[in-house]
Amino acid sequence: LAKTTQPISMDSYEGQEVNITCSHNNIATNDYITWYQQFPSQGPRFIIQGYKTKVTNEVASLFIPADRKSSTLSLPRVSLSDTAVYYCLGRAGTYKYIFGTGTRLKVLA
Amino acid sequence: DVKVTQSSRYLVKRTGEKVFLECVQDMDHENMFWYRQDPGLGLRLIYFSYDVKMKEKGDIPEGYSVSREKKERFSLILESASTNQTSMYLCASSLPQVVEQYFGPGTRLTVT
Repeated sequence: LAKTTQPISMDSYEGQEVNITCSHNNIATNDYITWYQQFPSQGPRFIIQGYKTKVTNEVASLFIPADRKSSTLSLPRVSLSDTAVYYCLGRAGTYKYIFGTGTRLKVLA
Repeated sequence: DVKVTQSSRYLVKRTGEKVFLECVQDMDHENMFWYRQDPGLGLRLIYFSYDVKMKEKGDIPEGYSVSREKKERFSLILESASTNQTSMYLCASSLPQVVEQYFGPGTRLTVT
């Protein structure tokens, strides 16, 4: 049974780097791992996707080890506006989409 | 700008009622999804459609059905609403073979 797990919550201070790890077994070996951000009363919003090693865009970095059994979202220098719930998403089959349970990040001033 | 819209933000229904949740996307995406979101459980896939009239069951299809008669529209149907279907329902769409999904704002359904 494919499963993804994430820490339930994290607190951080403004300006710090935040790393959120998602553990996932049975994710398809030939598919991307994706991360989403969700604010209250909104649907999730795509942040970043990666296949292996490291990917960086203007918002975040994503680290995926060779065994692809986990992925780590890295948010550099967080601000109050980064307070949100973060989800990882992978596929365990053609039509098998698995979201993580979500990590509630609270950024403190 | 890409857009996924859902027919209602808030909905209150009685036990046993038939409920329709509508989702429309304007991006000409082949894939459309219905999820429900509950505290502590994250997002769970109810149904997925990869083309008109095509559908696949997700993790929790029991008590739900779907309809996709047009490419841009994907409907979720609760045949006989029950209190345990009180939840946030999220619709999403994507291109085929692409994991990036675009989400609507969600419908908070309360069944009393």
